[in-house]
Amino acid sequence: DAEITQSPRHKITETGRQVTLACHQTWNHNNMFWYRQDLGHGLRLIHYSYGVQDTNKGEVSDGYSVSRSNTEDLPLTLESAASSQTSVYFCASSAAGRNSPLHFGNGTRLTVT
Amino acid sequence: QKEVEQNSGPLSVPEGAIASLNCTYSDRVSQSFFWYRQYSGKSPELIMSIYSNGDKEDGRFTAQLNKASQYVSLLIRDSQSSDSATYLCAVNPRGYNKLIFGAGTRLAVHP
Repeated sequence: DAEITQSPRHKITETGRQVTLACHQTWNHNNMFWYRQDLGHGLRLIHYSYGVQDTNKGEVSDGYSVSRSNTEDLPLTLESAASSQTSVYFCASSAAGRNSPLHFGNGTRLTVT
Repeated sequence: QKEVEQNSGPLSVPEGAIASLNCTYSDRVSQSFFWYRQYSGKSPELIMSIYSNGDKEDGRFTAQLNKASQYVSLLIRDSQSSDSATYLCAVNPRGYNKLIFGAGTRLAVHP
């Protein structure tokens, strides 16, 4: 069965360190997304990609970057982790077409100390 | 004004009752709308999608869309304890291929 896998599931890091969260999907979807979820804010879009070599900023992109070198993977990098980036991060993918729903990974819980 | 707004709840309903969850959105030209259910500590899962004005039914769930009033709702009939979760409304604004989420409404179904 097709799936979307995030790793690690839990991560603790220190302020100022660079951290990369992995996302791998086997749906063969063109569209991939990174969201963060915090109490009271729901899911907020960080970055997204519509295909290889395409990346776009979402509503809360400061301090994050992504790259898309193949269809399957969209790693999220925190260049210099801050305590404000402590959150649960979800990766998602969808087929092309505006009516396509998102398929979510299981999430990564990141704690920045 | 947030793009997608939901009452955070909690919405408490007895078992067997109808739960009504509401969502409003700001972009008048939004074209597709989704409801996701999220259990505590889990990822969101799709329940319903709706694209045209009116009602769409799937089992105990009914999604209602009113584009003129810019709201979308989810009705859950015969509520069960397993329905206790947070329900997220998501909107695809302006035909862009991305979803904007509301903050979610927490539903608690009690005996």
